Amino acid sequence: GAGVSQTPSNKVTEKGKYVELRCDPISGHTALYWYRQSLGQGPEFLIYFQGTGAADDSGLPNDRFFAVRPEGSVSTLKIQRTERGDSAVYLCASSQGDSGTQYFGPGTRLTVL
Amino acid sequence: AQSVTQPDIHITVSEGASLELRCNYSYGATPYLFWYVQSPGQGLQLLLKYFSGDTLVQGIKGFEAEFKRSQSSFNLRKPSVHWSDAAEYFCAVVPFTGGGNKLTFGTGTQLKVEL
Repeated sequence: GAGVSQTPSNKVTEKGKYVELRCDPISGHTALYWYRQSLGQGPEFLIYFQGTGAADDSGLPNDRFFAVRPEGSVSTLKIQRTERGDSAVYLCASSQGDSGTQYFGPGTRLTVL
Repeated sequence: AQSVTQPDIHITVSEGASLELRCNYSYGATPYLFWYVQSPGQGLQLLLKYFSGDTLVQGIKGFEAEFKRSQSSFNLRKPSVHWSDAAEYFCAVVPFTGGGNKLTFGTGTQLKVEL
């Protein structure tokens, strides 16, 4: 079956602009996670959804970052007033319930000029 | 502080040689333990996981890992490396505290395979 998909695969933007990154989880997976991977680092947790609600957003670095999952499936990570330090690969994962194996998408590479 | 450590940033092995990638964790209780592999342009793929029980865990692609509580380690091994194993490998944990499954990753080990 289809895996986790993320769009766009690459996004180049200018400092100060707004961006949206989309994640389509595996069908039927109730849990959805966002991670950020900076160059040379392991992924770092940003936010976790169980259904439509954000169960844990403790990893969001500041209030410029926001994520939604309005219908409990697709999720959008939104970044306002982008900064060069936001450049990274943003990874999405989904799982069956909050204790299941997480399956990762290919990521969106965000570059802020 | 709670952490996951992968002491080797880069490892180079010859094809056919054995491999061991190290992972140590620092948590009060034994967390859930995972190894993921990331190939260029690919998403993270789960190799294996340990929750409880038998301390030697078999995974995909011929990998195995051994949990050693006394050493707080979960090292990944493969008896004979193939050129296609060249990738970055991440150890990850989920603290056994409930309330979600957020992974904490190590910094990764880049594996190079010489032909």
